[in-house]
Amino acid sequence: GENVEQHPSTLSVQEGDSAVIKCTYSDSASNYFPWYKQELGKRPQLIIDIRSNVGEKKDQRIAVTLNKTAKHFSLHITETQPEDSAVYFCAARRTNQAGTALIFGKGTTLSVSS
Amino acid sequence: DTAVSQTPKYLVTQMGNDKSIKCEQNLGHDTMYWYKQDSKKFLKIMFSYNNKELIINETVPNRFSPKSPDKAHLNLHINSLELGDSAVYFCASSRGQTTGELFFGEGSRLTVL
Repeated sequence: GENVEQHPSTLSVQEGDSAVIKCTYSDSASNYFPWYKQELGKRPQLIIDIRSNVGEKKDQRIAVTLNKTAKHFSLHITETQPEDSAVYFCAARRTNQAGTALIFGKGTTLSVSS
Repeated sequence: DTAVSQTPKYLVTQMGNDKSIKCEQNLGHDTMYWYKQDSKKFLKIMFSYNNKELIINETVPNRFSPKSPDKAHLNLHINSLELGDSAVYFCASSRGQTTGELFFGEGSRLTVL
């Protein structure tokens, strides 16, 4: 089945720096890769997603890149701010005979200090 | 207006008890899910339903029984609670199995003593 590896597990940056989180997936049939942000005590919320027919997508300070050949995708946050501090999850959509579901990485705790 | 709502938000109970968590979505989505988030923050799929039909049962113990009375509701009943069941349980929904963003509820924190 699909396996999603996420690195690093924790990341500390200074305000204004960039942050990069990387994920790899195992199932070459996966075609949808969202990123979720979970603030402390809150629900995970989608911040950006990318489909397998696209190599890069940008939304203001966040961008996601996808390398289908290497089966990895990355989240880039520029000009980080304290409110970016949260746990970030990558995911890959798995489809097999059992059905379709988002399989999540283990999360990256991002701390932005001012 | 809350899109995906779960009740209760907190549950504290003794080992061996039975408890239920309810979930409702008002987004008109066809697919609903239960995810478990353990103390290490790992989000793991448990079940998915599409139009009231069970699609995914991710090797969850039989003590966990989901029920979907209609496509807007997905409840989770847990029998004979164990310490290891302590976690945050998130309900989620999406437009379809292969389409659309996953919208999460606020989560239900279950603590088994």
